[in-house]
Amino acid sequence: DTAVSQTPKYLVTQMGNDKSIKCEQNLGHDTMYWYKQDSKKFLKIMFSYNNKELIINETVPNRFSPKSPDKAHLNLHINSLELGDSAVYFCASSQDQQGLSTGELFFGEGSRLTVL
Amino acid sequence: GQQLNQSPQSMFIQEGEDVSMNCTSSSIFNTWLWYKQDPGEGPVLLIALYKAGELTSNGRLTAQFGITRKDSFLNISASIPSDVGIYFCAGFSGNTPLVFGKGTRLSVIA
Repeated sequence: DTAVSQTPKYLVTQMGNDKSIKCEQNLGHDTMYWYKQDSKKFLKIMFSYNNKELIINETVPNRFSPKSPDKAHLNLHINSLELGDSAVYFCASSQDQQGLSTGELFFGEGSRLTVL
Repeated sequence: GQQLNQSPQSMFIQEGEDVSMNCTSSSIFNTWLWYKQDPGEGPVLLIALYKAGELTSNGRLTAQFGITRKDSFLNISASIPSDVGIYFCAGFSGNTPLVFGKGTRLSVIA
């Protein structure tokens, strides 16, 4: 069983459309994340949720809205897609120790979004 | 914000050679981590370091947490073709997001 799974793996869409990426982890972890990796491979955190509560919200346009229905799932919805949103989006999870993340992240395989 | 300088950006080496890459920061971290990303996959944790001065090995990989807590290096000995990929350092302080370096792209020529 895949530990952190995200769907779809590839997504090609037109500018202005709305799309969602789903993520599920079966590791029993408390914290989940969304990272964006640009064409230069730079990894930048977007959001972090701990037990369904938003704890990190970096400078990300309002068009991006995460949703965590339970602690095993963290979905990412993007409205009004723009060309600059093209990237690989990675979901990740980590187990807390004493309420703090250890920094040891488990990543999904990524969802490559191409906006035309 | 915190920034990590990772070098080199890319390396081309012969199979069997040793490799060294490093990461420096303008800020102190409590944890240094090294991840590897294979093509088409997500990053995978290789080594985590929790104490200044700590030297940790994982097979052919050795990493050290710098004594100033502002740097770390990763060595790979006797490289093999499957070592190809992008290696990321990451720094962590517990109450701020994990900060990643820009990666070292390793190519191994058989």
